[in-house]
Amino acid sequence: NAGVTQTPKFQVLKTGQSMTLQCAQDMNHNSMYWYRQDPGMGLRLIYYSASEGTTDKGEVPNGYNVSRLNKREFSLRLESAAPSQTSVYFCASSEGELFFGEGSRLTVL
Amino acid sequence: EDQVTQSPEALRLQEGESSSLNCSYTVSGLRGLFWYRQDPGKGPEFLFTLYSAGEEKEKERLKATLTKKESFLHITAPKPEDSATYLCAVQAGGSYIPTFGRGTSLIVHP
Repeated sequence: NAGVTQTPKFQVLKTGQSMTLQCAQDMNHNSMYWYRQDPGMGLRLIYYSASEGTTDKGEVPNGYNVSRLNKREFSLRLESAAPSQTSVYFCASSEGELFFGEGSRLTVL
Repeated sequence: EDQVTQSPEALRLQEGESSSLNCSYTVSGLRGLFWYRQDPGKGPEFLFTLYSAGEEKEKERLKATLTKKESFLHITAPKPEDSATYLCAVQAGGSYIPTFGRGTSLIVHP
């Protein structure tokens, strides 16, 4: 079982560039989430999707957009990357407890 | 606002030295409290869910307990492979969205 798969694992961007983080789960979960994790700040929710076709803002949505493409896939887009978006990004899915991907490490120069 | 506080921030133990990690919470209507383990460079991995005060769950050297205000993760005779960051999260009220604490970084020395 792959569980939750995130791509890419590492990415370096220049300020102002755009990119999309991809996430797919094979557990048939309805709910999916995007978190960022920064030293000393813990996990902070960016966006979540309760089911296919719905998305909602979390604690820190500014500068991000999301798409719930289908039940399996939930993508996170940075339209114009800023150095403050340097972080580790985790996708998760759940029907109770959360199952996390391995993370995407993004550096914005 | 829901609050989840974990203590200590960091803990160093000798192999075999038992201890406990704390997760205190102030929420309205607890629906569930979750413990996760996170290894460096990895995503968090689910350990336990607790639903009501008095509930306990065990897995190998780990035992999680729950009261109305806090949860403890007891580590009995830890080994170096137990070194990780342990995260606590709560679901409360009408929301299924979990609120995470900042974690406790545990290092077990051989």
